[in-house]
Amino acid sequence: GESVGLHLPTLSVQEGDNSIINCAYSNSASDYFIWYKQESGKGPQFIIDIRSNMDKRQGQRVTVLLNKTVKHLSLQIAATQPGDSAVYFCAETTGNQFYFGTGTSLTVIP
Amino acid sequence: NAGVTQTPKFQVLKTGQSMTLQCAQDMNHEYMSWYRQDPGMGLRLIHYSVGAGITDQGEVPNGYNVSRSTTEDFPLRLLSAAPSQTSVYFCASSFPGLAGGYEQYFGPGTRLTVT
Repeated sequence: GESVGLHLPTLSVQEGDNSIINCAYSNSASDYFIWYKQESGKGPQFIIDIRSNMDKRQGQRVTVLLNKTVKHLSLQIAATQPGDSAVYFCAETTGNQFYFGTGTSLTVIP
Repeated sequence: NAGVTQTPKFQVLKTGQSMTLQCAQDMNHEYMSWYRQDPGMGLRLIHYSVGAGITDQGEVPNGYNVSRSTTEDFPLRLLSAAPSQTSVYFCASSFPGLAGGYEQYFGPGTRLTVT
């Protein structure tokens, strides 16, 4: 089966600092990766995605980095804000089935 | 657009009872899926559908049935509820994303307790 894991279950950062959330995956055949944000009591919300033929993709204040050599994915959030406090999940897929990690809880300290 | 809607928001069942969790989307997405979320285990795929009339099993399908008679609706049926099915259930729908993948939109979830 698939195994998607996160290196740190919790992360606390000062407001305005950059945040880095890491994710390891085990299936070298996975060709698509997604980061989701989940606020308490809500469904996951898409943040950014990346294909396996890319190393980096940038969005608004977020960057996803993919290192296929070590099967590692990271999400960087620039100038972290209180509204960024949530649980962040990575997910991977090789087709129609998605496999999610257990999540990292990000707390932003004002 | 209402996006992805789920009903009910909360449900308590007794062991052995059956029920249907409703999911609907108004975005004309072909791909729909059901997940369960348990503490410390992330989201796990139960069933998915790539279009009306087509369904397939995910990672944890046992005890659940689905059907897809229309593009809009994707109900999840619990055949005989068990305490192990106590969880939060999320429905999602997707269209191909900018990276050529699937950008999934999730519903607000149904919190199910089986006693």
